[in-house]
Amino acid sequence: GDSVTQTEGQVALSEEDFLTIHCNYSASGYPTLFWYVQYPGEGPQLLFRASRDKEKGSSRGFEATYDKGTTSFHLRKASVQESDSAVYYCALRNTGYQNFYFGKGTSLTVIP
Amino acid sequence: EAAVTQSPRSKVAVTGGKVTLSCHQTNNHDYMYWYRQDTGHGLRLIHYSYVADSTEKGDIPDGYKASRPSQENFSLILELASLSQTAVYFCASSDTGGGQDTQYFGPGTRLLVL
Repeated sequence: GDSVTQTEGQVALSEEDFLTIHCNYSASGYPTLFWYVQYPGEGPQLLFRASRDKEKGSSRGFEATYDKGTTSFHLRKASVQESDSAVYYCALRNTGYQNFYFGKGTSLTVIP
Repeated sequence: EAAVTQSPRSKVAVTGGKVTLSCHQTNNHDYMYWYRQDTGHGLRLIHYSYVADSTEKGDIPDGYKASRPSQENFSLILELASLSQTAVYFCASSDTGGGQDTQYFGPGTRLLVL
């Protein structure tokens, strides 16, 4: 079945550090890939999505590129801020199916 | 702006009791979902629905029932609550038509079963 793997469970960085959160997926065909962000006490909200190979999604300084060859959609940000502290989820929805599959989430803490 | 609301926001229940979590959306979306969130497991799909009066099982449906009486409302029912059902529950809606397949989440319900 379809699945999403996030390698890092928790990440701690200092402000202005470079962020990478790894996301790999398993799915047939061409799934749509998502990054969601969840702030404390809130539900997840869409950061951005990508639906075809080599497409780059971006928002608020975060970006990720859909790579079908390596089945990856890694989240990156050049310079993190304390306000970026949150839980980040990678997710996919496969073509023709209505279920969304989420990774286990990565908790990011940015130390000022 | 899409809107999904959940009630209650938190609840304490006793083991063996019945719990009903409610979700209401004003997005005019066809699809609604119930997830549970646990540390180390992320978000797992319990039930979903794509039309009123019909529900489908997700990945972890055991111990849960769902009800979709109208397009706007979707309930999650725990007939016999158990300790293992302590978690945060999220409702979401989406409109998968026209490629607009973003899910919009509610604020969550924190359930503690004692």
